[in-house]
Amino acid sequence: GNSVTQMEGPVTLSEEAFLTINCTYTATGYPSLFWYVQYPGEGLQLLLKATKADDKGSNKGFEATYRKETTSFHLEKGSVQVSDSAVYFCALITRESNYQLIWGAGTKLIIKP
Amino acid sequence: GAGVSQTPSNKVTEKGKYVELRCDPISGHTALYWYRQSLGQGPEFLIYFQGTGAADDSGLPNDRFFAVRPEGSVSTLKIQRTERGDSAVYLCASSLTSGVVNEQFFGPGTRLTVL
Repeated sequence: GNSVTQMEGPVTLSEEAFLTINCTYTATGYPSLFWYVQYPGEGLQLLLKATKADDKGSNKGFEATYRKETTSFHLEKGSVQVSDSAVYFCALITRESNYQLIWGAGTKLIIKP
Repeated sequence: GAGVSQTPSNKVTEKGKYVELRCDPISGHTALYWYRQSLGQGPEFLIYFQGTGAADDSGLPNDRFFAVRPEGSVSTLKIQRTERGDSAVYLCASSLTSGVVNEQFFGPGTRLTVL
């Protein structure tokens, strides 16, 4: 079946630190991969996506590379800011999943000034 | 332009009551999805519509849950005989059409509390 596993939080970092949030997946077919972000009190927003192997999604200084050989889509940012504090969700979608998003449990990120 | 809207934003009800949750998708989006999110977890798929028809309702937990989209735009999620375990945030999303590359845009959610 399809599933997404992401590192447990909370992850607490100081401002300007390097961020990695791990995400691995199991999927039938050829999934597209997504990172969504949920800021406090707001709805889910797409942060970045990649639709095929070796694609790199990027947005707002965040990056993630679709690695088919390791079935991973780790989220990285070189220098985090307090405003990046949020919950980050890794997700996948496939035709075989009938286009429903399959989600990880979410990782809460806390950035301290 | 307007995003996905959901009403009400909060709903408190008593066990055994009936509730309706409404979703207004982005204009022109043919695919509409309902998810449920419990505290500290990722969203869980409930049902998705392509146009007026339910293309996949495999995520509905039981027959107390039902959803409609009669004109291919607004959708209503209906829950009969609510139970405390139904308490969660109910999320609606829409996309231009179904597919692996189309972004799903999410509404702010309806927080349902069953007392």
